[in-house]
Amino acid sequence: SAVISQKPSRDICQRGTSLTIQCQVDSQVTMMFWYRQQPGQSLTLIATANQGSEATYESGFVIDKFPISRPNLTFSTLTVSNMSPEDSSIYLCSVGKTGTLGEQYFGPGTRLTVT
Amino acid sequence: SQQGEEDPQALSIQEGENATMNCSYKTSINNLQWYRQNSGRGLVHLILIRSNEREKHSGRLRVTLDTSKKSSSLLITASRAADTASYFCATVTSGGYQKVTFGTGTKLQVIP
Repeated sequence: SAVISQKPSRDICQRGTSLTIQCQVDSQVTMMFWYRQQPGQSLTLIATANQGSEATYESGFVIDKFPISRPNLTFSTLTVSNMSPEDSSIYLCSVGKTGTLGEQYFGPGTRLTVT
Repeated sequence: SQQGEEDPQALSIQEGENATMNCSYKTSINNLQWYRQNSGRGLVHLILIRSNEREKHSGRLRVTLDTSKKSSSLLITASRAADTASYFCATVTSGGYQKVTFGTGTKLQVIP
């Protein structure tokens, strides 16, 4: 199994600022995923991050707002830029379980509050 | 957009009772998975059922899948207070990489 850590675990930020969330995996993985979970809601996929290529963004999410880095096979960052209160959510990273049919391991999440 | 709609949205039962959650989805799938989330933290994978399977068991969990009705159910037998969590179904569609799309979730409360 993969162990995933995220930093920070929570933060309170002012509108207009940016926050970078880090995701570290204890093994090398090809694909990493970033999700947003708004209060009381389900998970929505923001983007898929592959090492060595540009991230693939889902409809409704753009690189200028959510730039992603994937410098190696165990690490990724998601930046939430120019934040507004609507960005208050839990942000989760996950990785695919090797050799499975799409099962994922999740990090503990980053709880972001924008004031 | 969510692929799966779950009902009920919330469920409260006594410890020892069974809990049943239902999930309906819209498009053809490769497989369907169920995840648990405790108090807004990371999700934990519970069970996966392939599109050519009808029923699967894992401990106190039983999952059924009806592809003709595009629906699935998760049964937790002999519930415990520790089962209190939100449960999400998630579908994986065929083709390309295996993108996982999550349903709306059921919030389960098990009262000791």
